[in-house]
This record gives sequence, C-alpha cells and structure tokens, in this order.
Amino acid sequence: DAGVIQSPRHEVTEMGQEVTLRCKPISGHDYLFWYRQTMMRGLELLIYFNNNVPIDDSGMPEDRFSAKMPNASFSTLKIQPSEPRDSAVYFCASSERPDTQYFGPGTRLTVL
Amino acid sequence: DQQVKQNSPSLSVQEGRISILNCDYTNSMFDYFLWYKKYPAEGPTFLISISSIKDKNEDGRFTVFLNKSAKHLSLHIVPSQPGDSAVYFCAASAGNTGKLIFGQGTTLQVKP
Repeated sequence: DAGVIQSPRHEVTEMGQEVTLRCKPISGHDYLFWYRQTMMRGLELLIYFNNNVPIDDSGMPEDRFSAKMPNASFSTLKIQPSEPRDSAVYFCASSERPDTQYFGPGTRLTVL
Repeated sequence: DQQVKQNSPSLSVQEGRISILNCDYTNSMFDYFLWYKKYPAEGPTFLISISSIKDKNEDGRFTVFLNKSAKHLSLHIVPSQPGDSAVYFCAASAGNTGKLIFGQGTTLQVKP
C-alpha cells in the first residue's frame, strides 16, 4: 500500500481565500484523523471519522474550518476564509484501530 | 494544560550507546501509550506502543517502559544508530477513543 496520501504538499495562499486540503487513507482503514502542527501548540487533533462519519470535531478551531469524508477513500479539510494564523502543517492519519494511527506526509499551509 | 509532557527538547548520544527518551502524563484515565518518530518534511511514523496493563513492551532495538504509579513512560533505543536521529513524540489516549494527545517532542541526535 502507498500509505496515506495528502495533497497538495505545499499551499501558499492569501488571507481570505478558501483552502482545501485532501487526504486518501490507507485502504481498509476505518478511521481517519486530521491533525494540525504548529510551533506553539504542537500536534493537535482537529477531527476524526469512523466509517466516514464524523465522531469528534471538538478540536476544530472555529467555524471557518470544515471537514468531510464523502467515501472511504477520500476526505477534505476546508478553511474558508483563511487567515495568517492558520499557517501550519496539516496531517491526515488513518488506522484500523482507533489508537495506532498512520500519518501522511502532511500539507504545509502558508497564509499570507 | 499539557496532559503529556516531554521535558527534554533535545538529546544527543553517541552511536552504539543507549538513548533514553522520557515522557510524563497527568491524566490517570490514559490507558494506551505510543511513540512516534518524525523526520523533517515527513509525517510521524508509528514506532511502538504499550497498554496500561503492561509495564514493558519490546520490539527489536526499541523498548517502552511504563510506570503507572509515577505516570511516566520511557523509550529506550539500544544500540542507537545515526539513522535514529529524528524528533520523537510520545502520545496517550483514553478508552480507545482515537483521541491521541501528543507531547511536544524530543529531538534525538545520534553522533557517529
């Protein structure tokens, strides 16, 4: 398996623009997680899905953030409108069991 | 409120010697603990885990020790190799929820 695939790897955008990050989990994994890594807050969970259903979105910072999982092989994380403080590395992870998660390479987002 | 703490931001050891990375936690509900390794520009890679019903788990050169009374876990790497140079994160979860709480990471440098 190719592992968790994320796109784009790098994204530079201007404040106010919509940003969409994409993730393809490992085939057969029922859990999908979105994380954000910043210097100040470290690695923090934003939201996770089980069988395409959002289970816990308590980590989503505000209404500007939304995530969807329309099918078992695809998920998106959208920020609209984006702000400079959203600049971070966003990771997607998937797993068969909730706890042992396998991470993608991340998307480095820069909002100017 | 940091529930998982890695108090040493960095550690340097000589090749062939033992590396010991430490992690403390505050939440007594945590029952599953993991260590991840992260290289620059890559996502975290799962290394080893331990359930709270055990006090030791070994996988090749990597051993994780759990001291529940002290709320402390450690990762031992023996012998250390230059390729082990990376950032190491410990993580914890409670009740098989999938909500991993990560420490801030320790940067390990193994010198040849």
